[in-house]
This record gives sequence, C-alpha cells and structure tokens, in this order.
Amino acid sequence: AQTVTQSQPEMSVQEAETVTLSCTYDTSESDYYLFWYKQPPSRQMILVIRQEAYKQQNATENRFSVNFQKAAKSFSLKISDSQLGDAAMYFCAYCESDKLIFGTGTRLQVFP
Amino acid sequence: GAGVSQTPSNKVTEKGKYVELRCDPISGHTALYWYRQSLGQGPEFLIYFQGTGAADDSGLPNDRFFAVRPEGSVSTLKIQRTERGDSAVYLCASSLSLAGYNEQFFGPGTRLTVL
Repeated sequence: AQTVTQSQPEMSVQEAETVTLSCTYDTSESDYYLFWYKQPPSRQMILVIRQEAYKQQNATENRFSVNFQKAAKSFSLKISDSQLGDAAMYFCAYCESDKLIFGTGTRLQVFP
Repeated sequence: GAGVSQTPSNKVTEKGKYVELRCDPISGHTALYWYRQSLGQGPEFLIYFQGTGAADDSGLPNDRFFAVRPEGSVSTLKIQRTERGDSAVYLCASSLSLAGYNEQFFGPGTRLTVL
C-alpha cells in the first residue's frame, strides 16, 4: 500500500520568513497526484496546492510552492513571506484510486 | 455557493449506542468521501460514492460502520454499537467527479465522542 511520511511533527517560522515542510511517499505508480492541505483549528481542510506527477514543473500558488523530486519520491512545501494566518496543521496527501492517503501532518507555528 | 456541511458538529454518545452522521455535499458534486481523523493523525479513508453507489468501501473498519447516499446527494454515515475507539472527527468531502486530480472540498467534520 502507498504510504505518506511527514517527518516533522512541528515547525516554526518568524513572520515574513520562509519555511519548508517535508513529505516523502512510496508508490510504484508512474502517474499520480500529490496535494498539500491546510487544517486550521476550525478543522476544515483547505487545499493549498497540488502537483501532477507527469509534470516536470513545480506547482506554485502565490506564496506557496513545491519542490517535487519524482525519483526521490519527495514533495516538500515552501511557504514564502509567512503570515500569522498560515499557522495550522499541514497535511501532505497522495491520491490512490481516487482516494487520498494522508501523512500524519506538520504543525506550523508562526511567530510575530 | 455553500460549501460542504456536516451535522451535528459534535456528538457525544454512550458505548453501545447507534449514531448517524450527516453530510451535505456541494451541489452538483457527484463524488462524496468519508474520512476519519483520530487525534494527532491525518485523515483516513473510509468510503466513497459516485452518485448513489458506494464505489469503494474498503476503508470501513468493520461491519458496524455503514454509509448510504440514496439520492446521490446527502450521505449518512451510520455506526452501530459504538465503541470508545470510534471516538474521532469524521470528515466528509465532495468533488465534481472521481478523477484523482479533482479537488476534494471538505466539511468542518463531526467530532464523535463515545463515553
């Protein structure tokens, strides 16, 4: 079965600085999709960014970008110019047979 | 338009009781998913529907868990003879279709506590 590993239970960053959250996954597929979701204390999961494995170019969404290394099965999330509102749990997810397989999450704290 | 809604937001029940959790997906979304999130963990897949039929129920932990979506819109997750280990947040999500690239839109979840 596919697995998703997030090795950083907690991370912290100062406002306006940059932080990178790590994620690795295991799969034997060649084409798949990867996602980063944000879960604030309200519990509602919000899609931050997604990547299609067949695309070489790293996805970007405003201050959020990914570093997708297919051979290494690595999918890290970079948050630039961090804001207080970025504080939340961040989950990396792999799409397998139309369902999401999530990692255990990284709690991001943002300090003023 | 409105997002995915789930009711109740919190449910406290006693061991052995029956509970129903409701999910209202985004209008027009044909795919609907249920996940369970235990404390300190990421969500785990339970079941998903394409229209009225369960396309994959491989994540349901045992036969005490059952879900329906009779008219292809609202879905109900039913748990019989609840156990303390069933305590978790139950998340519902919907998407336009089952294609893997489609964004799944999540509801705020139902926090189930079994005493």
